[in-house]
Order: sequence, then C-alpha cells, then structure tokens
Amino acid sequence: KAGVTQTPRYLIKTRGQQVTLSCSPISGHRSVSWYQQTPGQGLQFLFEYFSETQRNKGNFPGRFSGRQFSNSRSEMNVSTLELGDSALYLCASTSRGPSGANVLTFGAGSRLTVL
Amino acid sequence: GESVGLHLPTLSVQEGDNSIINCAYSNSASDYFIWYKQESGKGPQFIIDIRSNMDKRQGQRVTVLLNKTVKHLSLQIAATQPGDSAVYFCAESRAGTALIFGKGTTLSVSS
Repeated sequence: KAGVTQTPRYLIKTRGQQVTLSCSPISGHRSVSWYQQTPGQGLQFLFEYFSETQRNKGNFPGRFSGRQFSNSRSEMNVSTLELGDSALYLCASTSRGPSGANVLTFGAGSRLTVL
Repeated sequence: GESVGLHLPTLSVQEGDNSIINCAYSNSASDYFIWYKQESGKGPQFIIDIRSNMDKRQGQRVTVLLNKTVKHLSLQIAATQPGDSAVYFCAESRAGTALIFGKGTTLSVSS
C-alpha cells in the first residue's frame, strides 16, 4: 500500500507570492490533516479535511487555506507569503492505532523556503 | 494554553544502553497519547500509542509508561541502536480535536 505522497518536496518562493502544495493520502483514507513544522514552534496543526469538508482548523491566518477533492487528494494554499512561512509542511492521513487512537501517517513533507 | 511538552531537548546514549525519553502533559481530558519518531528528511513515524486508562504498553523494543497522577509520559527504548537516532515527539489526542505535539527530543546514539 503506497504511503502519503506530497509534492513538491522542495520549493523556493519570494515574499508576496503564493504557493500550492499537494497531498495524496493512503488509498482508502478519507481524512487528511496538514501541519506546519518549524524549529521554533514545532509541529502546529493547520487543518483537517474529511470527505471534502474541513472538519477542524488550527490557529493560522486566513492566508492559509486548503481543500480536499472527491478522490481524497488535498491541497493547501498559502497566499501573500511571508518570511515566517518558511517551514516543512506535512500532510497526514488518519487510521486507527493499536490502542484505538487516531494515528497520523505522515508524508515526507514539502520544504518551503521564502526569500 | 495547554500543551504537551518534553523535559529535555536532547539525549545522548551509547549503543546498547536503554533510553528513556520523557514528556509532561497538562490536559487530563486527553484520550490517548502517542509517540512519533522523525528521522532527518522524513515525516514523523508512528511508534506506539497508549489509551489514557492504561499505565503501560509494550511494543517491539519500546515501552510507553503513563503516569496520570503527575501527568507524565515516557518512552523507553531497549538496547538502543544507531538507527534509533532521531527526534522523538509525544502527542496527545482528544476526541474531536487535532493531535497536539510536544516540542521533541533529539536522541543521539553513539557506537
């Protein structure tokens, strides 16, 4: 079973531009979550989608948005990029862990650098 | 606000030693606790989870201990190997909310 696939793996943008990141979850998984990872703030939750609907949203400005398609693939968009948006953006799909927890399976991430 | 945190940002051990990575949490309402391992250039990888009504759970070379009295979680790795070198995150799960991660502990294993 293929894992979570994220594209692109690396990208460089300049301030003010916008960026779109793509994520394909594990086949059959309908929930997709996005996290931002930075050295200073660690892993911070952006949003979660389930069956094309946003189910949960983190504490990020409106410049950060996402969507999910009928095939469960998801995209996230960041508009008007700022230097502080430089981060690793991680996508994950959800399954049930051995103890019953909702376990996230992460992709390798998209490394965004804003100059 | 409430968050999951870790006691030490780094831990260095010798190959073959047992490692203990600690985590403190603040929300008694969490249903599950989960440990993740992140190697360089990769996304976090699930290691083991434990339900909040349990005290201990064992996996392959790993044991998670949960002390609800002092809100403390630990991950024990037996016979640590160089391949265990990574950043380890604890995370807490509450029904209806997103997984909340701690800051991470970098484990370095020297041979």
